[in-house]
Amino acid sequence: QQQVKQSPQSLIVQKGGISIINCAYENTAFDYFPWYQQFPGKGPALLIAIRPDVSEKKEGRFTISFNKSAKQFSLHIMDSQPGDSATYFCAARTGYSTLTFGKGTMLLVSP
Amino acid sequence: DGGITQSPKYLFRKEGQNVTLSCEQNLNHDAMYWYRQDPGQGLRLIYYSQIVNDFQKGDIAEGYSVSREKKESFPLTVTSAQKNPTAFYLCASQGTSVGEKLFFGSGTQLSVL
Repeated sequence: QQQVKQSPQSLIVQKGGISIINCAYENTAFDYFPWYQQFPGKGPALLIAIRPDVSEKKEGRFTISFNKSAKQFSLHIMDSQPGDSATYFCAARTGYSTLTFGKGTMLLVSP
Repeated sequence: DGGITQSPKYLFRKEGQNVTLSCEQNLNHDAMYWYRQDPGQGLRLIYYSQIVNDFQKGDIAEGYSVSREKKESFPLTVTSAQKNPTAFYLCASQGTSVGEKLFFGSGTQLSVL
């Protein structure tokens, strides 16, 4: 019940295209869903986060879509750039619990 | 600059040796965490501490130990009982207000000689 399943494991997108990464969860008590971005040799950094009372949150080229009934949430990167090439992790938690992370998606944006 | 400092950046362990990874934060955060990252495995929680002198096991605590004697420091010892220690280790911290985000250090790559 604590798992967060992330797909795909890797993704190649052309420059200017849309990158889409999906996550699914089972625990309906989860109430916070962040996405982290990690560059090689660095620690992850918070990219964007959403709570289940909204269905979408947008920050610049990054959008989280949230489907509470399907227990799924996704990250969309519009106009993908080579600088977006990184590993992306979705995560979830309840209240003050620790974050449960997905296994990550390696994104490569080709020039 | 506020942040989390992990040292060393690279560490090598000999067979049967204990090694200690350092994590220091100046964000005045109460909660600190240690994660292990293996390729394709995501981030797995080793130990966490929400207050000085107290800590809890995470999902993969076997073969590891921690201490939390000071608010700003949360060192991780990889003991000889950890048979597969090669991984990227990440320290993180978080404030205790609702909605506080998790901040990560830049990691330590541990390899076995």
